[in-house]
Amino acid sequence: KAGVTQTPRYLIKTRGQQVTLSCSPISGHRSVSWYQQTPGQGLQFLFEYFSETQRNKGNFPGRFSGRQFSNSRSEMNVSTLELGDSALYLCASRWGQTNTEAFFGQGTRLTVV
Amino acid sequence: AQTVTQSQPEMSVQEAETVTLSCTYDTSESNYYLFWYKQPPSRQMILVIRQEAYKQQNATENRFSVNFQKAAKSFSLKISDSQLGDTAMYFCAFMKHVTGGSYIPTFGRGTSLIVHP
Repeated sequence: KAGVTQTPRYLIKTRGQQVTLSCSPISGHRSVSWYQQTPGQGLQFLFEYFSETQRNKGNFPGRFSGRQFSNSRSEMNVSTLELGDSALYLCASRWGQTNTEAFFGQGTRLTVV
Repeated sequence: AQTVTQSQPEMSVQEAETVTLSCTYDTSESNYYLFWYKQPPSRQMILVIRQEAYKQQNATENRFSVNFQKAAKSFSLKISDSQLGDTAMYFCAFMKHVTGGSYIPTFGRGTSLIVHP
């Protein structure tokens, strides 16, 4: 069974641009969560999607958004990029919302210049 | 709000020896889950071990075991017979139910473990 796949692995963007990151969960998993990892703030929860609906959201500005498709694949979008958005963005999938075991992808390393 | 504290930013151990990573947390919840995740240089977070708060017995997974002290809100990870492949960042995480029926984790800042040959 294939694991969680995140694309692209690396991305360099200019301040002010927008970016879209993709996450394909493990087959059969319906819950997808996104996290931002930085040296300064550590691992922080961004949002969670289940059955195409955002179920929970972390404390991030509205520039961070996401969506989930009917096949459970999820995308995360960041508009008007700031230098502080440079981070490793991790996606995790779970079979269901109440399932506690999350499987992570290898992340997308975003650098904003 | 929950907080998870890992007081050891870095640790090192010789191959085949035992090392213990510390984690404390703060919560008013009675039912929750605790986890240790490993993040090697490949960046992929891998679940090492999980503990349900209602279980008094400490979880064990092969060379990995935890010392769960619920009253003290402590959840340490012991790695026995350390191997070079154990070199990674280790994150302690706390997870409770949130609105909507899902579980959202709170992570500690991590402990970088280096295993020396």
